[in-house]
This record gives sequence, structure tokens and C-alpha cells, in this order.
Amino acid sequence: DAGITQSPRHKVTETGTPVTLRCHQTENHRYMYWYRQDPGHGLRLIHYSYGVKDTDKGEVSDGYSVSRSKTEDFLLTLESATSSQTSVYFCAISENPGQSAKNIQYFGAGTRLSVL
Amino acid sequence: EDQVTQSPEALRLQEGESSSLNCSYTVSGLRGLFWYRQDPGKGPEFLFTLYSAGEEKEKERLKATLTKKESFLHITAPKPEDSATYLCAVKPYSNYQLIWGAGTKLIIKP
Repeated sequence: DAGITQSPRHKVTETGTPVTLRCHQTENHRYMYWYRQDPGHGLRLIHYSYGVKDTDKGEVSDGYSVSRSKTEDFLLTLESATSSQTSVYFCAISENPGQSAKNIQYFGAGTRLSVL
Repeated sequence: EDQVTQSPEALRLQEGESSSLNCSYTVSGLRGLFWYRQDPGKGPEFLFTLYSAGEEKEKERLKATLTKKESFLHITAPKPEDSATYLCAVKPYSNYQLIWGAGTKLIIKP
């Protein structure tokens, strides 16, 4: 998985509790992304980061926040989990989305989150 | 609105039976089109990138082609290990983010 580690791999939590998912990379790529994957939908971008402390929203950012204090780590936080946030979450990295030779996104193995 | 549609949703083939998966897209200028393979319980794995109409790329039994409106992933004489979900994504000129299709689940029966 291109030096990308997601933790935890599985988590079950209750509605209203905070949850933090971690993505760690060893590739020194500048860009990092959080997606969610649900049946019948394509991957949907939640947030992305283009450098340390530089983040921006994706198409489904409501209810999620992110932080990136180091190049290698990108955290996704659900401040107060809801059942609609039950999903599989993927982290991805890329060198530079603006350059043809460096715009490929590489993915971690995913975190399966269930909110009861 | 930029969008990507993949068809069929699922495809069952016998081992050795060649076929094609379709990825139709509508974007305001195409920066690139990407094909990924995803096995159950794993993250997507990059296969190909195509940038301009007429371009083709091959890898083992897979060949990806691109026109101005769609891409095809041709699979020749598939084997059971080719069973997976194949994802298509496009990158429009308007931004650097990928727009993903919902995928085609391919099942190859021995």
C-alpha cells in the first residue's frame, strides 16, 4: 500500500462520541486525502491537505475536521459521530496533482467505521 | 456538472471470456482519466492513467482506451484472479480533485 498505514482498521463506536482516524505515510508526499466509500457511490472526498497545516474541504466535509501537524500524519476527526458516518474511510497520498508524472493517488487499506 | 458513470454495475464472465467495462464522463476539460482495481477489504490500486483521446495503455490482460466522452477497460481472456471492482476517476481542468465513478464489480468464474 505504498507506505501508507491507516489506524485503526476497524472501529465500532456510539452515536455522539468523538472519533479520530489516523493516516501515516512514509513516502514524503506533499498531498494527503481522506475519502469515504459507500455502496452505490464513488469515492467521495472529505478533506485534503497540500502541506503541513494546509488543509481544504472536499465535497462531503460537514461533520468532519482534519489536522496535519507533520508531513507524514493526517488525522480525520468526527467530532460527534452519527450513524450516517458509518462507512469505509480511505486515506490517499500524491506527490503533486498538477504534474502529469506525479499526480497518481495511492491508497491505504482503509478503516471500517460503524456508528451505532 | 462534472460526473463519471461506470457500466455495467456488475459483470460475470467465464474464465477466458473477453469483455469490456465502460467509463463515461462529463467534465469541463479533461486533465486525466484514471483506472484503479479494488479487491475486497483493500484500498484501490492504481492501474492506468490516460490523458488524451486515442491513447491506449496495456498491462497483462488489461487494456485501457480513451475517447473524448468515455474510456473502456478491455479484459482479454480473464482469469479468476482478475475478479475485483474496477474504479474509474477523472481529473477536470477546473480543479485538481478526482471525480470517481461507482465502479464495476467483475466476477470471473473458473
